[in-house]
Amino acid sequence: AQSVTQLGSHVSVSEGALVLLRCNYSSSVPPYLFWYVQYPNQGLQLLLKYTTGATLVKGINGFEAEFKKSETSFHLTKPSAHMSDAAEYFCAVTPRSGSQGNLIFGKGTKLSVKP
Amino acid sequence: EAGVAQSPRYKIIEKRQSVAFWCNPISGHATLYWYQQILGQGPKLLIQFQNNGVVDDSQLPKDRFSAERLKGVDSTLKIQPAKLEDSAVYLCASSLGLAGGIDEQYFGPGTRLTVT
Repeated sequence: AQSVTQLGSHVSVSEGALVLLRCNYSSSVPPYLFWYVQYPNQGLQLLLKYTTGATLVKGINGFEAEFKKSETSFHLTKPSAHMSDAAEYFCAVTPRSGSQGNLIFGKGTKLSVKP
Repeated sequence: EAGVAQSPRYKIIEKRQSVAFWCNPISGHATLYWYQQILGQGPKLLIQFQNNGVVDDSQLPKDRFSAERLKGVDSTLKIQPAKLEDSAVYLCASSLGLAGGIDEQYFGPGTRLTVT
């Protein structure tokens, strides 16, 4: 069964610092990969996704993620953190074949941004 | 374009009581999902509908949870009777229902259930 591991349940950075949120998946065949953001009392919003092609994916709000097959990773980065980036971030996968409805999520990483 | 609507936003009940949640997906979206998000965990799929048919309910605790999407549009998720461990946020999502490729899911704001 596929699984997603997010290292660090809580990450704290200073405003303007690099944001790095880690995600590793376990699957013999690379799945489709997603990052979602959840602001307090709101639903999940898609930040970016990797399906095929270029392994560096750019998303909304200045975030990007790089798919590394050899490391089974899909880490999320942003060069300079803003206060508005404080939220919880979820990495998710879904298989490339068969039912794609079952998004499998990691446990999430809560990002805090200090002034 | 209106997003996925859910109600109520918050609900507090006592254990052994019943509760129902409602979801109205984005217009034209054939596929509807219910997820359970327990505090400190990622969302877990409970049930997936394609129009008014069930595609996947393998993780739905069928002894107490039920869901329906009778007309292929809005949906209701019910818990009867509720247990303390059902305290969670229940998220509804919808997608176009595309075959092949990515079928992007759009999430509602969720219903936060507290069982006391």
